[in-house]
Amino acid sequence: DIQMTQSPASLSASLEEIVTITCQASQDIGNWLSWYQQKPGKSPQLLIYGATSLADGVPSRFSGSRSGTQYSLKISRLQVEDIGIYYCLQAYSAPLTFGSGTKLEIK
Amino acid sequence: EVQLVESGGGLVQPGASLKLSCVASGFTFSDYWMSWVRQTPGKTMEWIGDIKYDGSYTNYAPSLKNRFTISRDNAKSTLYLQMSNVRSEDTATYYCTETYYGLDYWGQGVMVTVSS
Repeated sequence: DIQMTQSPASLSASLEEIVTITCQASQDIGNWLSWYQQKPGKSPQLLIYGATSLADGVPSRFSGSRSGTQYSLKISRLQVEDIGIYYCLQAYSAPLTFGSGTKLEIK
Repeated sequence: EVQLVESGGGLVQPGASLKLSCVASGFTFSDYWMSWVRQTPGKTMEWIGDIKYDGSYTNYAPSLKNRFTISRDNAKSTLYLQMSNVRSEDTATYYCTETYYGLDYWGQGVMVTVSS
């Protein structure tokens, strides 16, 4: 199975701050990486697919990038509504595997 | 508007069987792969498996393959997850998802608690 190592496990940041979450894949997964946001008490929502493509309706302050087997999610200006848990997911090969999640809070 | 509504969860005893359903609307169900994902009480996400749009092919997480079965009825726009010989570690919230670019849309989830 492909392992996705996500960091940090938790993050506290100030409003308007830049936030970065990373996932390291245990092998090459190309661009088969997506990011999800789960707001408190809600179902997860797709933010980024294909490592860098923004899903419909997602604010442009979210962006994804790739460097080799390391993938990053950046929030350019943190807003209150961005609090929640963020997950990465590799869909390069079955079984699909998630990162362990990053809990994002406002400082 | 895409809607996915799961049902069939609840409290079940270890060793029992349970069948979850997911009714889809707002898109052409028969055109899309569908997946099941679960989230433990500790918030760990686990992919269970997926099924091809016509139901002819399925993939499973190896650890669940012998106990879980995914199926679909395109005429009813419904996805199913048959769970057998459930264990305490199957306690989780189960989500069905429409699968295209990624896991594009998620249902509200249904809780399954395995306990005697």
